[in-house]
Amino acid sequence: DAKTTQPPSMDCAEGRAANLPCNHSTISGNEYVYWYRQIHSQGPQYIIHGLKNNETNEMASLIITEDRKSSTLILPHATLRDTAVYYCIVRVFDSGYALNFGKGTSLLVTP
Amino acid sequence: NAGVTQTPKFRILKIGQSMTLQCTQDMNHNYMYWYRQDPGMGLKLIYYSVGAGITDKGEVPNGYNVSRSTTEDFPLRLELAAPSQTSVYFCASATGIFSSTDTQYFGPGTRLTVL
Repeated sequence: DAKTTQPPSMDCAEGRAANLPCNHSTISGNEYVYWYRQIHSQGPQYIIHGLKNNETNEMASLIITEDRKSSTLILPHATLRDTAVYYCIVRVFDSGYALNFGKGTSLLVTP
Repeated sequence: NAGVTQTPKFRILKIGQSMTLQCTQDMNHNYMYWYRQDPGMGLKLIYYSVGAGITDKGEVPNGYNVSRSTTEDFPLRLELAAPSQTSVYFCASATGIFSSTDTQYFGPGTRLTVL
């Protein structure tokens, strides 16, 4: 399974862009990168996923490097409600496509 | 749609007791999962199911059992509760269609303490 490495914590000022990095240097060519977040011990919430192209939705943007060894989740205008733990996950192709959660990055958005 | 619902929200068990954590989804999803989350850690897969009547072990199945008699329900059974099973339990579901790009929907969790 491809492993991911994320910084344990980050801060961001409200209204600024939050850029959360993730390293996945052992990712295979057909494995997708997923991002989920968990707000205050609630159930994790899907944010975005991608294979090799940059992706954008109403919540965030995902930038994947050309060699696919790292990616960055961008929250363009962070709000206090974006304070959460963010998980970068490479999708495993066994265990019914379960999600392999690491410890994630704890993002604190400050006023 | 209610999505994924879990009961109870909280429970305290004594060592050696047993209980069933309930999980129901109303999205007609084929795939369902049980995860546990210990303090400060990410989620770990306990069991999963790819359809009614089909279940399989995940990373940490010891001390648990599951069944899947209907598409909607995926109960998790704890036999002989131990303090090491103190955790927050999350149920999730997914369509299972185009599985590599499918997203999972999570329930609100059950917070279990074993004393």
